[in-house]
Amino acid sequence: EPEVTQTPSHQVTQMGQEVILRCVPISNHLYFYWYRQILGQKVEFLVSFYNNEISEKSEIFDDQFSVERPDGSNFTLKIRSTKLEDSAMYFCASSEEVGLAGEASYNEQFFGPGTRLTVL
Amino acid sequence: ELKVEQNPLFLSMQEGKNYTIYCNYSTTSDRLYWYRQDPGKSLESLFVLLSNGAVKQEGRLMASLDTKARLSTLHITAAVHDLSATYFCAGRWGGNNDMRFGAGTRLTVKP
Repeated sequence: EPEVTQTPSHQVTQMGQEVILRCVPISNHLYFYWYRQILGQKVEFLVSFYNNEISEKSEIFDDQFSVERPDGSNFTLKIRSTKLEDSAMYFCASSEEVGLAGEASYNEQFFGPGTRLTVL
Repeated sequence: ELKVEQNPLFLSMQEGKNYTIYCNYSTTSDRLYWYRQDPGKSLESLFVLLSNGAVKQEGRLMASLDTKARLSTLHITAAVHDLSATYFCAGRWGGNNDMRFGAGTRLTVKP
């Protein structure tokens, strides 16, 4: 069964360093997302990406964050200068809009296993 | 903006018992999702509810949606230990593609 994959599974970095988290969405999916979950807290939306551009972003997704689809398979999240509070689990997700025109689309999002980011 | 509230946040129950997790949301949502998360793991999609009155069942879990009350429920029947996990509801609204999650309900099923 197709699945979303993410690398690395765990990333440790020093405050102020740049990190890039990588995701390979399900191959026929069109929408890509990043979410984060601070330990023990709820899942928070960061950004959605469609047709090679950001379609929506939350207030968390400030200028320190950027996303890119550098090739036909990878989807990356870059944090330019990490802060202690960026420590969290980062989940990538993807979805395929299905349904005929005029019908509500399904938009089930499939999540990757996550990357645990630890900022020291 | 859509706000999603779940209760209870913590639920400890005995095997064989029934219980319901509630998910209220603040504004019209065109779909409601339920996810399961095991400790240290990713989110597993359980149900997607698209319309008022929708009811879906999988094993011992049944989810329903009342869009007029802005309420979804996840009912657990005859709980077993394997159901121990955190359950999240999430809503989508206004044609946006992002989901807004509730805080999660940490369910522990004791023998």
